[in-house]
Amino acid sequence: GQQLNQSPQSMFIQEGEDVSMNCTSSSIFNTWLWYKQDPGEGPVLLIALYKAGELTSNGRLTAQFGITRKDSFLNISASIPSDVGIYFCAGQLFGNEKLTFGTGTRLTIIP
Amino acid sequence: KAGVTQTPRYLIKTRGQQVTLSCSPISGHRSVSWYQQTPGQGLQFLFEYFSETQRNKGNFPGRFSGRQFSNSRSEMNVSTLELGDSALYLCASSIQRNTGELFFGEGSRLTVL
Repeated sequence: GQQLNQSPQSMFIQEGEDVSMNCTSSSIFNTWLWYKQDPGEGPVLLIALYKAGELTSNGRLTAQFGITRKDSFLNISASIPSDVGIYFCAGQLFGNEKLTFGTGTRLTIIP
Repeated sequence: KAGVTQTPRYLIKTRGQQVTLSCSPISGHRSVSWYQQTPGQGLQFLFEYFSETQRNKGNFPGRFSGRQFSNSRSEMNVSTLELGDSALYLCASSIQRNTGELFFGEGSRLTVL
C-alpha cells in the first residue's frame, strides 16, 4: 500500500536538543496530521493541520503544512525523555477517506 | 472517559486457523477504523465502519472482514491465517466520519505460527 516518506528514519539526540523531521508525498493532501506511538501502545494524535502554509503548535511541538500540500514538518524543541517514541505523519485527501501514514521516525534520546 | 479498548491484547494462532478481534470505541464515537501495523509495511488501512456499514476498504484480501454492531462496537475477522498476517492490529475511533483525528486503542498483537 501507499506510504508517505518520512525522514530521517531514526534520530539519536541528547536531552535538550531540538528535533526536526519531515514527511513528503507524491500527491497532495488537504489534511496533514502527526501522531506519536510509544512502545506497546497505539498512536496518539499530536497535531492536525488543515490549511496549506498553516503553522500550529502544541506545547514544545510545532508542525507546518507545506505550501505545496505535498509535505509537512514537525519540530520538537528542548527534547525531554518522554519524547522518545515513533512519530508518524498522516495525510488525508478528503474527510471521508482513509488516512495514509508515513513510514515513521524513531526518536531515541542518548543519556 | 474510557479510551478505545481492544481485546485480546495478545494471541497466538497457527496457519489455517481464523481469528476474531474486538474493539470497543470511546463512548459516543460512531466511526471505527482498523489498521494493520507491521515493521515492513507500516500502518496499513483495513476498513472503516460507521452506522454498522462498511464505508471504506483497504487493499487486503477477502480473508479480512469486519462488522460493526448497533452500539458501535466492532469486530474484525481473519480467516485461513497466513504467516504474513502476524502483526499489530489497531482499532481507532472518531466521533464522526469526516475527520483524520483518530483515537487508537493499544492494539491486538497476533502471531501466526
